[in-house]
Formats: sequence, C-alpha cells, structure tokens
Amino acid sequence: QKEVEQNSGPLSVPEGAIASLNCTYSDRVSQSFFWYRQYSGKSPELIMSIYSNGDKEDGRFTAQLNKASQYVSLLIRDSQPSDSATYLCAVNTYNAGNMLTFGGGTRLMVKP
Amino acid sequence: DAGVIQSPRHEVTEMGQEVTLRCKPISGHNSLFWYRQTMMRGLELLIYFNNNVPIDDSGMPEDRFSAKMPNASFSTLKIQPSEPRDSAVYFCASSSRTGGVTEAFFGQGTRLTVV
Repeated sequence: QKEVEQNSGPLSVPEGAIASLNCTYSDRVSQSFFWYRQYSGKSPELIMSIYSNGDKEDGRFTAQLNKASQYVSLLIRDSQPSDSATYLCAVNTYNAGNMLTFGGGTRLMVKP
Repeated sequence: DAGVIQSPRHEVTEMGQEVTLRCKPISGHNSLFWYRQTMMRGLELLIYFNNNVPIDDSGMPEDRFSAKMPNASFSTLKIQPSEPRDSAVYFCASSSRTGGVTEAFFGQGTRLTVV
C-alpha cells in the first residue's frame, strides 16, 4: 500500500465552484502536511502547509487536517482556469529523519 | 535567495554514458532530497540527506545510481551507465529541519533523455 494516497482524477469543476482535493496517509507519526501545485512541465510549487488538526486558510485555499482519520484535504474556492494543474499531497515524518513522501497527485481541470 | 538551483536543465545522452546531475540547495537549509518523476510512477523519492549525511537511499533504483553531498552547498546524482529507462525529470528539493517547520522547495528540475 502506498504511504500517501490521492485520487488521480481528473477532477473537473466549473469556474467559480469549489474544488475539493483529498489525501490519506498511512503513517500515524506523520507530523507535517503540504500541498504542492504543479503545472505541466514545471516543478512542484508549495502552496499550503498544515501542522495541526483543523483548518488553515490562505486566500482562496483552505487546508484541512484530521490526524485521527489520517486525512488531509485542500479546498479551492472560486476556482479559476489558472488553477488547472496537478495537486500533490506531501507528508513529512520529522522523527524519521525528515522524510518527505508524495502522493501520486490529483489533476484538476477548471472549465470556463 | 535564488532558490534551489539545478543543472543542467536538459540532458540528452546515449545509453551507457555517465550522467551527473547537480544541485545547490537554498542557503541555510540542512535537508536535501532527490526525486525522480515519470508519468507512470509519479514523484519518487530516491535519496535524502540531513546535514550532508545520507539518511535513506532505499529509493535508489540500482547500483548504477549514486548520490553525494560533499558540503552544505552542493549535491550530485550520478547515473553510470545510463539506460533509456532512466529517462525522466529529476528534481532536487531542500528544506530546513529546525524548529519543526519543514517546508521543502524544489529546483526547476533536470529533464534527462537517454537514447
């Protein structure tokens, strides 16, 4: 079983809608959680980090973490065509030497 | 800060040749990661270093792959001999392992094509 799981998509949403991206992880001692955005042909770009249970908001982005359920999500409000990209969930296990493990990514398509 | 710098950006080589990829992490970062990305397998962690010491190289696919970090400012990933199945985009990322904040930042990647 992969350590970090994401639905590969594509997830298609209309412009202006809320896009919801989900991620589950298997290692209970994981401590830090990240969302990266990757445009085609580009490198992953960090857009959100979350370290404790609950919600964290940054502009149109909200990250949600539930450590009991080993689940982290990313909500994108008022989705724009420019949000079309692959979103990668990453999990860091600090006590295991700072290993950073990625899910397979979810491709998001925002249609005008 | 200039960010993580990788070179070369593109590399085309013939099967059997030695390939060396280079990475300069962000100044002050003490963790460095090498990833490989393909359509089929996604982003795979090959090896990572803390304070220039290799911590986990279980992702290195074969003995043909080796990585070094001689100092805090420089790391190399070497493939010898290269094979067509090594064709991929190789990313280097760095982070700071202090204070519990471990955000990692990526370089622009090296697109390797082995023919």
